[in-house]
Amino acid sequence: DIQMTQSPSSLSASVGDRVTITCRASQGLSYYVAWYQQKSGKVPNLLIYAASTLQSGVPSRFSGSGSGTDFTLTISSLQPEDVATYYCQKYNSAPLTFGGGTKVEIK
Amino acid sequence: QVQLVESGGGVVQPGRSLRLSCAASGFAFSNYGMHWVRQAPGKGLEWVAGIWYDGLNKYYPDSVKGRFTISRDDSKNTLYLQMNSLRAEDTAVYYCTRASGNSGFYYSDYWGQGTLVTVSS
Repeated sequence: DIQMTQSPSSLSASVGDRVTITCRASQGLSYYVAWYQQKSGKVPNLLIYAASTLQSGVPSRFSGSGSGTDFTLTISSLQPEDVATYYCQKYNSAPLTFGGGTKVEIK
Repeated sequence: QVQLVESGGGVVQPGRSLRLSCAASGFAFSNYGMHWVRQAPGKGLEWVAGIWYDGLNKYYPDSVKGRFTISRDDSKNTLYLQMNSLRAEDTAVYYCTRASGNSGFYYSDYWGQGTLVTVSS
């Protein structure tokens, strides 16, 4: 099975900082990667699909890039409401594995 | 609007069975694949089952294969997860999610609120 390795597992940044989270697949996935945001005590929310397509209603400060084995979620200017845990997921075939998550906090 | 409402969670002894349900509304249920995703307390997300729109293709990770069965009743707009031989490590919040297309090989664009399953003696 393909493994999804997210890094870092946690980060602390200041409001307005550019934040980058990476997800590495153990085999090529083309562009079949999605990113989700989960705020504390809440249901996960879809941010990005097809590696770089922004889900409707998601702020434009979020962006995704990558293909093959290396994928990136970027928050261009971190806001207080972005405090959350972020997960990548592969969906090209079963199992639809999630990454381990990245917890983002405000410094 | 799309709504997914899970039910059936609770406390169950190890080795016993439980069936979760997910009532779907606000979209053409029979046209979409569906998933179950779980989250153990304080842990990350784990995909546990997927079913295609026609109910003919079903997929599971090794951690639940042979113990869990996903199914759907399009006449009732309802998704199910039959969980047998439950273990302590199956304790989690179980989310019903809609796949963004007709197969199970799509990301989840809508999520229910989840139902808690606790496996404990």
